[in-house]
Amino acid sequence: DGGITQSPKYLFRKEGQNVTLSCEQNLNHDAMYWYRQDPGQGLRLIYYSQIVNDFQKGDIAEGYSVSREKKESFPLTVTSAQKNPTAFYLCASSIGGPRYNEQFFGPGTRLTVL
Amino acid sequence: LAKTTQPISMDSYEGQEVNITCSHNNIATNDYITWYQQFPSQGPRFIIQGYKTKVTNEVASLFIPADRKSSTLSLPRVSLSDTAVYYCLVGDSWGKFQFGAGTQVVVTP
Repeated sequence: DGGITQSPKYLFRKEGQNVTLSCEQNLNHDAMYWYRQDPGQGLRLIYYSQIVNDFQKGDIAEGYSVSREKKESFPLTVTSAQKNPTAFYLCASSIGGPRYNEQFFGPGTRLTVL
Repeated sequence: LAKTTQPISMDSYEGQEVNITCSHNNIATNDYITWYQQFPSQGPRFIIQGYKTKVTNEVASLFIPADRKSSTLSLPRVSLSDTAVYYCLVGDSWGKFQFGAGTQVVVTP
């Protein structure tokens, strides 16, 4: 059963702590993306990766870091430098080529900073 | 990235056709127009994508005039389950988008 999985679904963190959100896909997609969504707002791009071992900053990369060591995995670390990390985080992937814009999204991780 | 403008909300009754128009005046030559649907607390779902003229799939149609400065998503015969937020996105083929606030469509019986 192909798709994108994100874990955990809910995550609580104390201020000053780093936390890593998992994103795995078994769709054999080349490209992967991380977005952040705040209540009532659209999605904002944090980082994206079009190929293994390469990634690019999106619109709001400050306070976040990623790695792309395997095609299937694109974990996102929310560092203590991110001033307002409470949000809904969504991971997506796309097959690439002429279909980069057809992105498949995971179920999301809701992060709350206490 | 081209900025998009779409209505904040639209109401409809079951069985009607819903047309959502998106304005993207500064669309670039290489940009595609893509629409997504999102339900609360879920990730968006791809609906349709086009470059020019008309594109149709099993769930929607996308109309793009010759100047490509706007586009219209058409949802035929909506049902209650079509209540969602719909996003119009413009970006090149590398998938780097800017999501706006979207259009909240509410379908009532």
